[in-house]
Amino acid sequence: DAKTTQPPSMDCAEGRAANLPCNHSTISGNEYVYWYRQIHSQGPQYIIHGLKNNETNEMASLIITEDRKSSTLILPHATLRDTAVYYCIVRVGSDSSYKLIFGSGTRLLVRP
Amino acid sequence: DSGVTQTPKHLITATGQRVTLRCSPRSGDLSVYWYQQSLDQGLQFLIQYYNGEERAKGNILERFSAQQFPDLHSELNLSSLELGDSALYFCASSRTGPPLHFGNGTRLTVT
Repeated sequence: DAKTTQPPSMDCAEGRAANLPCNHSTISGNEYVYWYRQIHSQGPQYIIHGLKNNETNEMASLIITEDRKSSTLILPHATLRDTAVYYCIVRVGSDSSYKLIFGSGTRLLVRP
Repeated sequence: DSGVTQTPKHLITATGQRVTLRCSPRSGDLSVYWYQQSLDQGLQFLIQYYNGEERAKGNILERFSAQQFPDLHSELNLSSLELGDSALYFCASSRTGPPLHFGNGTRLTVT
């Protein structure tokens, strides 16, 4: 299974962009990168996913390097409610049978 | 609200006992996943069902079992409980493809 590496913790100021890096150097060509976050023991919340192109939705942007060995999740204007543990995950398997293997994640603290 | 419902929210039981955790997936989702989150282990994938059939297995103990019923709800059965089984148990569901949508979990405390 492809493994991801994330910094254990980061912080940013409220209103500024939060850039969360992830290394997935062993990723295969057909494996997607997913980002989830978990706020204080609630269920993990889906943020965004991508294969090779950059992606953007109402929550965040995902930048994937051309060699696909790393990616960055960008929260453009972080708020206090974005304080959470952020997980970068590589999906393993097909659409009908896949699993998300969670690592340790990055604990993001948004400061007032 | 993800649309995934887990019951009960909290469960306290004694060692050696057996419990059943229940999960109702989002409407239309065929896949159900179970994850365990304990303090020292992070989120561990246990098992996946797709339309009633087991599709993928993770680090699920032999004392644990799961099933998905014809109405697509799922149950996770934990038996011969040990102190180390105390954890948050999450259910997630999806349609044929990604992403997974997680419920808010069942907090199991074994005393």
